[in-house]
Amino acid sequence: QSALTQPASVSGSPGQSITISCTGTSSDVGGYNYVSWFQHHPGKAPKLMIYEVSNRPSGVPDRFSGSKSGNTASLTISGLQTEDEADYFCSSYSGSSTLAVVFGGGTKLTVL
Amino acid sequence: EVQVVESGGGLVQPGGSLRLSCEASGFTFRSYWMHWVRQAPGKGLVWVSRIKSDGSSTNYADSVKGRFTISRDNAKNTLYLQMNSLRAEDTAVYYCARGFGYNVDYWGQGILVTVSS
Repeated sequence: QSALTQPASVSGSPGQSITISCTGTSSDVGGYNYVSWFQHHPGKAPKLMIYEVSNRPSGVPDRFSGSKSGNTASLTISGLQTEDEADYFCSSYSGSSTLAVVFGGGTKLTVL
Repeated sequence: EVQVVESGGGLVQPGGSLRLSCEASGFTFRSYWMHWVRQAPGKGLVWVSRIKSDGSSTNYADSVKGRFTISRDNAKNTLYLQMNSLRAEDTAVYYCARGFGYNVDYWGQGILVTVSS
């Protein structure tokens, strides 16, 4: 059981938009604006797509956007492309004394 | 280009020890916190440990406290994780990640550690 809850899978057609949710608590997602999103192709290094809730690193297409409401953060990918098919996971700073960073269980995005 | 590359994984018996290394390049290693994160088969990612840029402060998840030791050699741009008293539940892919603010940004590809007799 991961600290942050994500749907196991989402799917969409090329050109469509999808949203992946990431639900935590007031001790992590809800309490701080330190939510990140990563794209992960199995066997490769995860790639940072969004940091601090809604900021995109240089080189990440503006089709990727992030937001947060209460204890739930969201990643939206608009204008889906076949190369977007991957696993996506969220992470958040945790105010817990035992864990510095907590993670979601990951969401498999299928582009049909 | 920022890169972190893990090494040192493999098969070890329960109760045994293993040392993971993470070689960094493409950034000023001595300026960043560094983290270890792991993912057991079929499970989600779990934060394991972190170390301050100068090595003066470390933190551990409760599950590894007292058994694992994180360290770094800034002259060699290398992060380490010494794992002792290994258990079957330590079986996982271990990732090295660079600290970024209160989170992480760049990750390695991961290295598999299998604890089994």
